[in-house]
Amino acid sequence: QITLKESGPTLVKPTQTLTLTCTFSGFSLSNSGVGVAWIRQPPGKALEWLALFYRDDDKRYSPSLKSRLAITRDTSNNQVVLTMTNVDPVDTATYYCAHCLPRVGAFDAWGQGTMVTVSS
Amino acid sequence: SYVLAQPPSESVAPGQTARITCGGDNVGSKSVHWYQQKPGQAPALVMYYDSDRPAGIPERFSGSNSGDTAALTISRVEAGDEADYYCQVWDTDTDHWVFGGGTKLTVL
Repeated sequence: QITLKESGPTLVKPTQTLTLTCTFSGFSLSNSGVGVAWIRQPPGKALEWLALFYRDDDKRYSPSLKSRLAITRDTSNNQVVLTMTNVDPVDTATYYCAHCLPRVGAFDAWGQGTMVTVSS
Repeated sequence: SYVLAQPPSESVAPGQTARITCGGDNVGSKSVHWYQQKPGQAPALVMYYDSDRPAGIPERFSGSNSGDTAALTISRVEAGDEADYYCQVWDTDTDHWVFGGGTKLTVL
């Protein structure tokens, strides 16, 4: 059974750096094509894909946010970490991590999400 | 970047059929996936590869994709189907993932 859980701060000040952690179980990133994605959803708005981690040397980023994002892995703890720099109130959202089906490109398992508010 | 367009809302009476569309340039050449999101919950995959249902999804849910329009069809709609529905593609040309704007399905 695949499970994912997001963790991180609930409140961040503008211009600060946001760091979110996705702790997962039930699969291995060593398997070919398996990925972990970060997806966000501002209150009352649509889903937005942010980034996806395949391997240490293979990552993907949303073109509109690429300059502010970094996605990494902590192998020892089965975690994928998303860092977003220079946050703004428009980054206020629920942030989800999700398991990406290899060769399908669909997200078949999601974490519960973590709500992040950007405010001074 | 690739864009997917969904109607903001659809409404249907219980027992009737709901059809939620997802428009995109030649979307028929891509694989479309669909998610259901109920209030306060994370999205859940209800259709992948245009018309394949994950385990546990009722046969009432079906999908199609051709030309510039993909669709999720829900037959014999139940009150429990009331939710937001999102389409999504993996744009393999750019290796980016794209979501539609979502459709709120209301069961009258």
